Amino acid sequence: NAGVTQTPKFRILKIGQSMTLQCTQDMNHNYMYWYRQDPGMGLKLIYYSVGAGITDKGEVPNGYNVSRSTTEDFPLRLELAAPSQTSVYFCASSYPTSSAYNEQFFGPGTRLTVL
Amino acid sequence: DQQVKQNSPSLSVQEGRISILNCDYTNSMFDYFLWYKKYPAEGPTFLISISSIKDKNEDGRFTVFLNKSAKHLSLHIVPSQPGDSAVYFCAANSSGANSKLTFGKGITLSVRP
Repeated sequence: NAGVTQTPKFRILKIGQSMTLQCTQDMNHNYMYWYRQDPGMGLKLIYYSVGAGITDKGEVPNGYNVSRSTTEDFPLRLELAAPSQTSVYFCASSYPTSSAYNEQFFGPGTRLTVL
Repeated sequence: DQQVKQNSPSLSVQEGRISILNCDYTNSMFDYFLWYKKYPAEGPTFLISISSIKDKNEDGRFTVFLNKSAKHLSLHIVPSQPGDSAVYFCAANSSGANSKLTFGKGITLSVRP
Protein backbone atom coordinates (compact mmCIF):
# COMPACT_ATOMS: atom_id res chain seq x y z
CA ASN A 1 0.00 0.00 0.00
CA ALA A 2 1.17 3.52 -0.81
CA GLY A 3 -0.79 4.85 2.20
CA VAL A 4 -1.75 8.52 1.94
CA THR A 5 -0.31 10.38 -1.03
CA GLN A 6 -0.42 14.12 -1.63
CA THR A 7 0.33 16.19 -4.71
CA PRO A 8 2.00 18.54 -5.35
CA LYS A 9 4.84 18.53 -2.82
CA PHE A 10 5.53 22.24 -3.31
CA ARG A 11 3.63 25.11 -4.92
CA ILE A 12 3.99 28.87 -5.17
CA LEU A 13 0.81 30.82 -5.89
CA LYS A 14 0.17 34.47 -6.57
CA ILE A 15 -2.46 36.27 -4.53
CA GLY A 16 -5.91 35.61 -5.97
CA GLN A 17 -4.97 32.43 -7.81
CA SER A 18 -6.74 29.16 -7.15
CA MET A 19 -5.52 25.60 -6.86
CA THR A 20 -6.50 22.13 -5.70
CA LEU A 21 -4.39 20.06 -3.34
CA GLN A 22 -4.85 16.39 -4.09
CA CYS A 23 -5.05 13.63 -1.49
CA THR A 24 -5.52 9.92 -2.14
CA GLN A 25 -5.46 6.96 0.23
CA ASP A 26 -5.46 3.28 -0.69
CA MET A 27 -6.28 1.82 2.74
CA ASN A 28 -10.07 1.92 2.29
CA HIS A 29 -10.37 4.37 5.18
CA ASN A 30 -13.73 6.03 5.66
CA TYR A 31 -12.46 9.06 7.55
CA MET A 32 -10.25 11.67 5.92
CA TYR A 33 -8.93 15.00 7.20
CA TRP A 34 -7.13 18.12 6.04
CA TYR A 35 -4.80 19.97 8.41
CA ARG A 36 -2.56 22.97 8.05
CA GLN A 37 0.62 23.58 10.03
CA ASP A 38 1.98 27.08 10.35
CA PRO A 39 5.57 27.64 11.53
CA GLY A 40 5.95 26.95 15.25
CA MET A 41 2.34 25.86 15.53
CA GLY A 42 0.50 22.61 15.82
CA LEU A 43 -1.75 21.11 13.20
CA LYS A 44 -5.14 22.73 12.80
CA LEU A 45 -8.08 20.91 11.25
CA ILE A 46 -9.50 22.55 8.12
CA TYR A 47 -12.13 20.06 6.96
CA TYR A 48 -12.91 16.42 7.51
CA SER A 49 -15.06 13.71 5.98
CA VAL A 50 -16.55 10.57 7.52
CA GLY A 51 -17.38 9.00 4.18
CA ALA A 52 -18.03 9.62 0.52
CA GLY A 53 -20.47 12.47 0.04
CA ILE A 54 -20.13 13.73 3.62
CA THR A 55 -17.89 16.64 4.63
CA ASP A 56 -17.80 18.98 7.60
CA LYS A 57 -15.88 22.03 8.76
CA GLY A 58 -13.01 21.87 11.18
CA GLU A 59 -11.38 24.62 13.19
CA VAL A 60 -10.12 26.82 10.31
CA PRO A 61 -12.30 26.27 7.19
CA ASN A 62 -12.46 29.83 5.84
CA GLY A 63 -10.96 30.19 2.37
CA TYR A 64 -11.13 26.47 1.60
CA ASN A 65 -13.55 24.00 0.09
CA VAL A 66 -13.56 20.20 -0.09
CA SER A 67 -15.42 17.43 -1.82
CA ARG A 68 -15.51 13.66 -1.26
CA SER A 69 -16.94 11.88 -4.26
CA THR A 70 -15.04 8.63 -3.65
CA THR A 71 -13.65 6.82 -0.60
CA GLU A 72 -10.11 7.23 -1.91
CA ASP A 73 -9.92 10.93 -2.78
CA PHE A 74 -10.34 14.07 -0.69
CA PRO A 75 -9.20 17.18 -2.61
CA LEU A 76 -8.82 20.57 -0.93
CA ARG A 77 -9.63 23.64 -2.99
CA LEU A 78 -8.27 27.17 -2.47
CA GLU A 79 -10.34 29.63 -4.50
CA LEU A 80 -8.68 33.01 -3.91
CA ALA A 81 -5.25 32.44 -2.46
CA ALA A 82 -4.11 34.85 0.25
CA PRO A 83 -0.70 35.20 1.99
CA SER A 84 -2.35 33.94 5.21
CA GLN A 85 -2.76 30.56 3.49
CA THR A 86 0.99 30.09 3.26
CA SER A 87 1.45 26.88 5.23
CA VAL A 88 2.19 23.18 5.06
CA TYR A 89 -0.94 21.14 4.37
CA PHE A 90 -1.34 17.57 5.57
CA CYS A 91 -3.98 15.09 4.58
CA ALA A 92 -4.77 12.17 6.88
CA SER A 93 -7.09 9.19 6.97
CA SER A 94 -8.38 6.70 9.52
CA TYR A 95 -10.65 3.66 9.71
CA PRO A 96 -13.46 3.76 12.24
CA THR A 97 -13.54 0.87 14.70
CA SER A 98 -15.31 0.21 17.96
CA SER A 99 -12.40 1.63 19.94
CA ALA A 100 -12.48 5.13 21.36
CA TYR A 101 -9.99 6.40 18.89
CA ASN A 102 -8.75 5.49 15.45
CA GLU A 103 -5.14 6.19 14.53
CA GLN A 104 -4.73 8.74 11.78
CA PHE A 105 -2.27 8.11 8.96
CA PHE A 106 -0.73 11.20 7.43
CA GLY A 107 0.53 12.05 3.98
CA PRO A 108 3.93 13.74 3.44
CA GLY A 109 2.45 17.22 3.12
CA THR A 110 2.21 20.01 0.54
CA ARG A 111 4.22 23.17 1.17
CA LEU A 112 2.29 26.14 -0.21
CA THR A 113 3.58 29.70 -0.50
CA VAL A 114 1.30 32.55 -1.52
CA LEU A 115 3.10 35.71 -2.70
CA ASP B 1 -7.74 29.23 23.14
CA GLN B 2 -5.19 26.43 23.23
CA GLN B 3 -6.78 23.26 24.54
CA VAL B 4 -3.56 21.25 24.24
CA LYS B 5 -0.40 22.96 25.40
CA GLN B 6 3.21 22.01 24.93
CA ASN B 7 4.90 24.89 26.68
CA SER B 8 8.52 23.93 26.03
CA PRO B 9 9.37 24.43 22.35
CA SER B 10 12.57 22.42 22.46
CA LEU B 11 14.53 19.88 24.49
CA SER B 12 18.12 18.69 24.15
CA VAL B 13 19.38 15.51 25.83
CA GLN B 14 22.45 13.33 25.71
CA GLU B 15 22.26 9.98 23.97
CA GLY B 16 21.42 7.23 26.45
CA ARG B 17 19.70 9.56 28.92
CA ILE B 18 15.98 9.96 29.50
CA SER B 19 13.88 12.42 27.47
CA ILE B 20 10.73 13.73 29.15
CA LEU B 21 8.27 15.62 26.99
CA ASN B 22 5.35 17.30 28.72
CA CYS B 23 1.84 18.18 27.61
CA ASP B 24 -1.09 19.86 29.37
CA TYR B 25 -4.72 20.05 28.35
CA THR B 26 -7.70 22.10 29.43
CA ASN B 27 -10.71 20.29 27.94
CA SER B 28 -12.22 17.81 30.43
CA MET B 29 -14.01 16.04 27.58
CA PHE B 30 -10.74 14.70 26.18
CA ASP B 31 -10.51 10.99 26.90
CA TYR B 32 -7.84 9.74 24.53
CA PHE B 33 -4.34 11.12 24.13
CA LEU B 34 -1.71 10.45 21.51
CA TRP B 35 1.85 11.32 20.68
CA TYR B 36 2.91 11.79 17.08
CA LYS B 37 6.48 12.07 15.84
CA LYS B 38 7.44 14.15 12.84
CA TYR B 39 10.66 14.26 10.87
CA PRO B 40 11.41 17.20 8.52
CA ALA B 41 9.63 17.03 5.14
CA GLU B 42 7.49 14.10 6.30
CA GLY B 43 4.02 13.75 7.72
CA PRO B 44 3.47 12.96 11.40
CA THR B 45 3.52 9.29 12.38
CA PHE B 46 1.71 7.77 15.33
CA LEU B 47 3.96 6.87 18.25
CA ILE B 48 1.95 5.90 21.32
CA SER B 49 -1.43 6.58 22.89
CA ILE B 50 -3.25 6.32 26.21
CA SER B 51 -6.87 6.14 27.18
CA SER B 52 -8.18 8.20 30.08
CA ILE B 53 -9.01 5.01 31.99
CA LYS B 54 -5.29 4.27 32.30
CA ASP B 55 -2.43 6.19 33.88
CA LYS B 56 0.44 4.54 32.03
CA ASN B 57 1.10 2.91 28.69
CA GLU B 58 4.42 1.45 27.66
CA ASP B 59 5.78 0.45 24.25
CA GLY B 60 9.46 -0.44 24.17
CA ARG B 61 11.53 2.63 24.96
CA PHE B 62 8.44 4.86 25.01
CA THR B 63 6.14 5.32 27.99
CA VAL B 64 3.27 7.76 28.31
CA PHE B 65 1.97 8.81 31.72
CA LEU B 66 -1.41 10.44 32.28
CA ASN B 67 -2.40 12.46 35.34
CA LYS B 68 -6.09 13.24 34.84
CA SER B 69 -6.49 15.33 37.96
CA ALA B 70 -3.68 17.61 36.79
CA LYS B 71 -4.73 17.38 33.14
CA HIS B 72 -1.15 16.52 32.33
CA LEU B 73 0.59 13.85 30.32
CA SER B 74 4.21 13.13 29.61
CA LEU B 75 6.19 11.03 27.18
CA HIS B 76 9.33 9.32 28.47
CA ILE B 77 11.95 8.00 26.07
CA VAL B 78 14.54 5.73 27.66
CA PRO B 79 17.25 5.45 26.51
CA SER B 80 17.22 8.34 24.06
CA GLN B 81 18.85 7.74 20.68
CA PRO B 82 19.99 10.21 17.99
CA GLY B 83 17.29 8.81 15.68
CA ASP B 84 14.70 10.09 18.16
CA SER B 85 15.56 13.66 17.16
CA ALA B 86 12.29 14.98 15.72
CA VAL B 87 9.28 17.13 16.52
CA TYR B 88 6.84 15.47 18.93
CA PHE B 89 3.19 16.49 18.93
CA CYS B 90 0.79 15.80 21.73
CA ALA B 91 -2.81 15.36 20.56
CA ALA B 92 -6.15 14.73 22.23
CA ASN B 93 -9.54 13.42 21.21
CA SER B 94 -12.96 13.10 22.80
CA SER B 95 -15.16 10.08 22.14
CA GLY B 96 -17.78 10.61 19.49
CA ALA B 97 -15.91 13.51 17.93
CA ASN B 98 -15.39 11.62 14.67
CA SER B 99 -11.81 10.99 15.77
CA LYS B 100 -10.97 14.67 15.32
CA LEU B 101 -7.67 15.49 16.97
CA THR B 102 -6.59 18.66 18.76
CA PHE B 103 -2.84 19.13 18.51
CA GLY B 104 -0.30 20.96 20.62
CA LYS B 105 2.39 23.12 19.03
CA GLY B 106 5.02 20.42 19.24
CA ILE B 107 8.39 20.00 20.96
CA THR B 108 11.63 19.72 19.00
CA LEU B 109 13.76 17.00 20.60
CA SER B 110 17.47 16.90 19.86
CA VAL B 111 19.45 13.90 21.06
CA ARG B 112 23.19 14.59 21.15
CA PRO B 113 25.53 11.69 20.32
